[in-house]
Amino acid sequence: GAGVSQTPSNKVTEKGKYVELRCDPISGHTALYWYRQSLGQGPEFLIYFQGTGAADDSGLPNDRFFAVRPEGSVSTLKIQRTERGDSAVYLCASSPGSGRNTEAFFGQGTRLTVV
Amino acid sequence: AQSVTQPDIHITVSEGASLELRCNYSYGATPYLFWYVQSPGQGLQLLLKYFSGDTLVQGIKGFEAEFKRSQSSFNLRKPSVHWSDAAEYFCALAGTASKLTFGTGTRLQVTL
Repeated sequence: GAGVSQTPSNKVTEKGKYVELRCDPISGHTALYWYRQSLGQGPEFLIYFQGTGAADDSGLPNDRFFAVRPEGSVSTLKIQRTERGDSAVYLCASSPGSGRNTEAFFGQGTRLTVV
Repeated sequence: AQSVTQPDIHITVSEGASLELRCNYSYGATPYLFWYVQSPGQGLQLLLKYFSGDTLVQGIKGFEAEFKRSQSSFNLRKPSVHWSDAAEYFCALAGTASKLTFGTGTRLQVTL
């Protein structure tokens, strides 16, 4: 496919469990972003990768959240010891560069529900 | 600090009527501004963007937005709304790199 792909589309997990959310960016896009969208809110920035490295992780809420992009393409967002407050839609976006004027293309998101 | 405010949580308009969605921003430098639309079960789609130059920006699906520096606003407009425009609309500001700060969104309902 030509767009940003996120899997799974839905994930239900029990409180305290570990989850991984996957993002396949558009081929050739060097920048990748993770956002979290809680119910009734706009997306909130979590972390940004330029290539393999995390250029800005200032949005990660605490050390239970971690993300990797080992080969500069696919990224995985990892959440340890999930809490009910982690329930949200997690959005991934990619862009061909990292400038402010570069359009970010969003995936459809992964809806995470912690019960 | 940068922020985006969308004062209207929910707006209802009749099909064929004009539409204006409000967006105010706070940013210490020249803002890069965006409007996105999100339909149920869909990802965010870019409608239009403003970086510099002409303050009236044209986008897809017949939308336009006007940047007013004096009012710190970037309102979205459409002359005639279609039922398919019903969705959630987000205004966003680019700070460092392409990192976006979003408003809380405005849900548009279109009545037939």
